[in-house]
Amino acid sequence: KAGVTQTPRYLIKTRGQQVTLSCSPISGHRSVSWYQQTPGQGLQFLFEYFSETQRNKGNFPGRFSGRQFSNSRSEMNVSTLELGDSALYLCASSWGLEVNEQFFGPGTRLTVL
Amino acid sequence: DQQVKQNSPSLSVQEGRISILNCDYTNSMFDYFLWYKKYPAEGPTFLISISSIKDKNEDGRFTVFLNKSAKHLSLHIVPSQPGDSAVYFCAASAGNTDKLIFGTGTRLQVFP
Repeated sequence: KAGVTQTPRYLIKTRGQQVTLSCSPISGHRSVSWYQQTPGQGLQFLFEYFSETQRNKGNFPGRFSGRQFSNSRSEMNVSTLELGDSALYLCASSWGLEVNEQFFGPGTRLTVL
Repeated sequence: DQQVKQNSPSLSVQEGRISILNCDYTNSMFDYFLWYKKYPAEGPTFLISISSIKDKNEDGRFTVFLNKSAKHLSLHIVPSQPGDSAVYFCAASAGNTDKLIFGTGTRLQVFP
């Protein structure tokens, strides 16, 4: 069974641009969560989608948004990029809502210049 | 405000010895705790969890201890192996279906 895939794996953008990251969950999984990992901050929860509905949201500005499609694939968008948005963005999928059943993808490394 | 803290950024242990990774939390609503392991260029993988109704959970070489009064949990790895070298994150949630709050991670290095 294929794991969680994230595209692209690496991305370089400049300040002020916007970016869209994609996450394909494990087949059959209905929940997708997004996290931002930065040095010294660990993983910070961005948002969670379940059956196309945002179920939970972390403390990030409105520049960060996401959505989930009917096939459970999810995208997150960051508009008006700032240098501090440079991070590893991870998504995790699970069949249900139990957090101990989340499987993480390898992440997208975003660098903002 | 960091609700989950891992105060040791790194730990170095000899192969065969015990590795003890620590984690503290501040939110008394947390009642479910997890440990993840992360290798470079890979996403975190789930290791072991514990709910607040227990004070110990064991899975092979990995044991997690929970001290609710001290709001402290620890992960013991015995015996430590070079393949255990990775970054370990603890995480907490208020219930098994709420969002996860992660610590900042501890880099474990197991040397021969």
